[in-house]
Amino acid sequence: EVQLVESGGGLVQPGGSLRLSCVASGFTFSAYWMSWVRQAPGKGLEWVANIKQDGSEEYYVDSVKGRFTISRDNAKNSLYLQLNSLRAEDTAVYYCARWCDSGSYYAYWGQGTLVTVSS
Amino acid sequence: DIVMTQSPDSLAVSLGERATINCKSSQSVLSSSNNKNYLAWYQQKPGQPPKLLIYWASTRESGVPDRFSGSGSGTDFTLTFTSLQAEDVAVYYCQHYYIHPPTFGPGTKVEIK
Repeated sequence: EVQLVESGGGLVQPGGSLRLSCVASGFTFSAYWMSWVRQAPGKGLEWVANIKQDGSEEYYVDSVKGRFTISRDNAKNSLYLQLNSLRAEDTAVYYCARWCDSGSYYAYWGQGTLVTVSS
Repeated sequence: DIVMTQSPDSLAVSLGERATINCKSSQSVLSSSNNKNYLAWYQQKPGQPPKLLIYWASTRESGVPDRFSGSGSGTDFTLTFTSLQAEDVAVYYCQHYYIHPPTFGPGTKVEIK
């Protein structure tokens, strides 16, 4: 059974940093592109970042470029998102999601971890 | 970036009735190389992550009831419930995955009338 379990969310002040983690199981982690998708409270879904199987390619939504960094450790079956220079508008549930075999749509999602940016 | 829009914003339907949600992309998501539409539909219930319902615009994900169907091509797509059930109360999102960045529609909230 595919499982994705996020952690690392919490309350942080504007300008602060957090590192989110996602541990994967039930599939060959190193074989799949992975993504982070976020959802602000009461709002819709927003794709945040993608990373290739070997970590050699990364893509970000414009609003987080230069502030967030996606990475992975295939030996640990883990995906990460480093969040720096956090803003109030980054407040959201952050989901880890796995690409399907044929494209960047998502059959597997974690339960999400809440990041709250507030003073 | 491709902008996704959905209509209506919300929908109230009687149990057992048919319902339709529309999704429109600002440019075509139909690939000429494989004749596939890079469009997915998700269902999200409160407090849960999204659940994939449909991909390639019309392919039902394994385990999804056949009362859900997707159609459309190019820039205009539809998610249809042939007979609404109580457990279908949720927000529904379309998403394109044709080019970077993938983007989601704003969502359509489906309620029971």
